[in-house]
Amino acid sequence: GAGVSQSPRYKVAKRGQDVALRCDPISGHVSLFWYQQALGQGPEFLTYFQNEAQLDKSGLPSDRFFAERPEGSVSTLKIQRTQQEDSAVYLCASSLRQGGETQYFGPGTRLLVL
Amino acid sequence: GESVGLHLPTLSVQEGDNSIINCAYSNSASDYFIWYKQESGKGPQFIIDIRSNMDKRQGQRVTVLLNKTVKHLSLQIAATQPGDSAVYFCAENNPLSSGSARQLTFGSGTQLTVLP
Repeated sequence: GAGVSQSPRYKVAKRGQDVALRCDPISGHVSLFWYQQALGQGPEFLTYFQNEAQLDKSGLPSDRFFAERPEGSVSTLKIQRTQQEDSAVYLCASSLRQGGETQYFGPGTRLLVL
Repeated sequence: GESVGLHLPTLSVQEGDNSIINCAYSNSASDYFIWYKQESGKGPQFIIDIRSNMDKRQGQRVTVLLNKTVKHLSLQIAATQPGDSAVYFCAENNPLSSGSARQLTFGSGTQLTVLP
């Protein structure tokens, strides 16, 4: 079946631009996670949704980062006024049940801020 | 803060040999660990997991060992194949501080290269 998909796969932005990254989780998955992966590092947790509710956003690095999942399926991670340090791969993962023990990852969106 | 880390950043093995990838963790309260494989341009892929009430778990060609005394994990890959070339991460799967879910805390990874 279809896995987690993300778009765009690559995004180049000029510093100061706003970007929106999309995640389509596996159909029916309750839990959705966003992670940020810097070059040569492991992914780091950003935020968690259970259906449409954002229950944890403790990993978001600044108030320029905003995520939503209005209908409990597709999610969008928005970064306002992008900075060079935002350059990273942004990974989305979904999990069938609440809690997120088994997370299935998408291919990620590679963001480069110039 | 507490973190998960790896002993070696790179590992090269001959095709057909066994591979051992090591991982140290610092959170003694962690109760669930997962190994992921990440190929270039792809997201992490689940390989095998282990809970803290076990010290060994076997899958297809892979074995994970957990030593809680020294807070150490290892991933053993038998008869390593070219398709095994990737970055391998160990991750702790622990409750978020909010209690709403479990998050993955990854180490920095080991690049495994399989030589022909």
